[in-house]
Amino acid sequence: GIQVEQSPPDLILQEGANSTLRCNFSDSVNNLQWFHQNPWGQLINLFYIPSGTKQNGRLSATTVATERYSLLYISSSQTTDSGVYFCAVEGNNAGNMLTFGGGTRLMVKP
Amino acid sequence: EPEVTQTPSHQVTQMGQEVILRCVPISNHLYFYWYRQILGQKVEFLVSFYNNEISEKSEIFDDQFSVERPDGSNFTLKIRSTKLEDSAMYFCASRRGGGYGYTFGSGTRLTVV
Repeated sequence: GIQVEQSPPDLILQEGANSTLRCNFSDSVNNLQWFHQNPWGQLINLFYIPSGTKQNGRLSATTVATERYSLLYISSSQTTDSGVYFCAVEGNNAGNMLTFGGGTRLMVKP
Repeated sequence: EPEVTQTPSHQVTQMGQEVILRCVPISNHLYFYWYRQILGQKVEFLVSFYNNEISEKSEIFDDQFSVERPDGSNFTLKIRSTKLEDSAMYFCASRRGGGYGYTFGSGTRLTVV
């Protein structure tokens, strides 16, 4: 099946700093989503972004489908940004399902 | 914004007991899914459901698991005889169709003791 690798696995930031999270995938995709898992375990959808660039407030994401990667940018980080960020993809040849990466655990310190 | 609703939010059960996890997908969505996440690990696909039947399932989804859409709104996951290793967060998801994003519920945290 499709492989999804996220980096870095862990990230500690000071409040106000910027960061870039990366997601590499091993095959062409129909769908790519970024999620934030909050401390209560809920998966909050951030972006549906199989290609191109989107922005939502302090967050933006870019997917370069031809090169099989996606980036999530967090600017002016806040303590409430802490949690785990997951990239999930639906491969063109991998069936009707999302495959999740291992996540990036982000801690933002005040 | 429409939501996927899951109940209960937490469930504790004894090993060997049957549990049913419930989900109400978004009303105009056609595809339904169950995923699970063992504590500290990645989110894993269990099963997808379309047109009143299972369309795909993973190796995790063995004979102990079953899914059902008993009426026009609910989507359930049943674990027949729970094991300690079934302890996990179970997520339901739905989507309108191909080319649309997946919407996840808030999850049910299942603890088997």
